[in-house]
Order: sequence, then structure tokens, then C-alpha cells
Amino acid sequence: QKEVEQNSGPLSVPEGAIASLNCTYSDRGSQSFFWYRQYSGKSPELIMFIYSNGDKEDGRFTAQLNKASQYVSLLIRDSQPSDSATYLCALDAGGFKTIFGAGTRLFVKA
Amino acid sequence: EAGVTQFPSHSVIEKGQTVTLRCDPISGHDNLYWYRRVMGKEIKFLLHFVKESKQDESGMPNNRFLAERTGGTYSTLKVQPAELEDSGVYFCASSQFGGMRSYNEQFFGPGTRLTVL
Repeated sequence: QKEVEQNSGPLSVPEGAIASLNCTYSDRGSQSFFWYRQYSGKSPELIMFIYSNGDKEDGRFTAQLNKASQYVSLLIRDSQPSDSATYLCALDAGGFKTIFGAGTRLFVKA
Repeated sequence: EAGVTQFPSHSVIEKGQTVTLRCDPISGHDNLYWYRRVMGKEIKFLLHFVKESKQDESGMPNNRFLAERTGGTYSTLKVQPAELEDSGVYFCASSQFGGMRSYNEQFFGPGTRLTVL
């Protein structure tokens, strides 16, 4: 059974700081990974997709993938109070099936 | 463009009763998924439709759950009879993989919060 592990948090950072969210996965064969953001009471929203080792940047977000160590991370630069949400790490399990971690709650203090 | 919609937003039923959840995917999306999140746990895959066909129902907990997608449009998920452990948030998502996109971006609905008493 493929698994995705995340620290549930909450992770609290001051406004303007870098928030670092981490995720590990159990199946070494996993190839593609997603980061979703979910505001309280709302639906998950895809913010990043990564499948190559290394960094992928999109605006203030950087996803990092290290397949040898089986971890994925998400960095949020210049964190804003509006970034306060639960961040879900997920992997593509093949056949259109997605496996999610339980999420990390991020709180950005103004 | 309308997003994925789900109905109802909340449902409170008693153990043993039947509940039917509905999902309307984004128009034109062939892929439709059902997920469930039990409090404090991860979002878990239940099943995947391509048009009206079930492609993968490996996540369905047991035969008390029945999903249908008549005509390849909206989908329903029926729980009969409901048990206490069925409580949670049921999400529906849809996607249209292919074209220029190299990954399967799923668009989620707002979820139905089901409480079984």
C-alpha cells in the first residue's frame, strides 16, 4: 500500500517568512507528485505538480523532489496570511488514482 | 465556467438510513472521482469513472456503497444502510486528461459532509 506522510502541524510562520512543508512517501516507484491547498471548509486546489528530481518554481511556490530520499517539499516564499490553509501532498499512484497525505496546517501570522 | 458541484452540502442521518450524494462534474470532463475524508485522516480514493464506466473501484469500503454515473454526466453515491463509520466529507473531483497537459489535474467539488448518528 502506497503511503504519503506529512506532519499535521500546525506550522506557524510570521508574515514574510519562508514556509517549508515536507512530505515523505513509501513507494520508491512513485513518479509524480502534487501539492494541493485546502482552505478551511473548501475544496482542495492544485497548486504544484512535480515529477523530476530537483526544484520547480511557480511564483512564490517552489516544489522540491528527491526520489532517492523519497521526499517532496513545498516552499512558500514571502508567506502571507492568505496562505494560511492545509497543504496536501499527494502522489500519482497510476491509473488516475491519487493518494493523499493527511495534510499540514499552515498558519501565517500577520 | 462552472466548477464541480455537489449536493447536498451537509447531510445528517441516522444509522441504518439511506443517503444519496450527487456530483456534477465540470462540463466535458470524462473522468469523475469520488473521495472520502474521515476526520483527522487523509483524503482517500473511492472510485474513478471514465464517462459512464467504472475504471477503478478499489477504494470502495464495502457493498453498502454504490456509485453510478448514468449517461456519463452527473454521478451519485448511495450509502445503504449507513453506519456510524461512514461519517466524513465526501469529495467529488473531475478531470480531462490529455492534450497539452502532461498530468492529471483534478478539480474538486466543495464536498458533502455526512454525519451518521
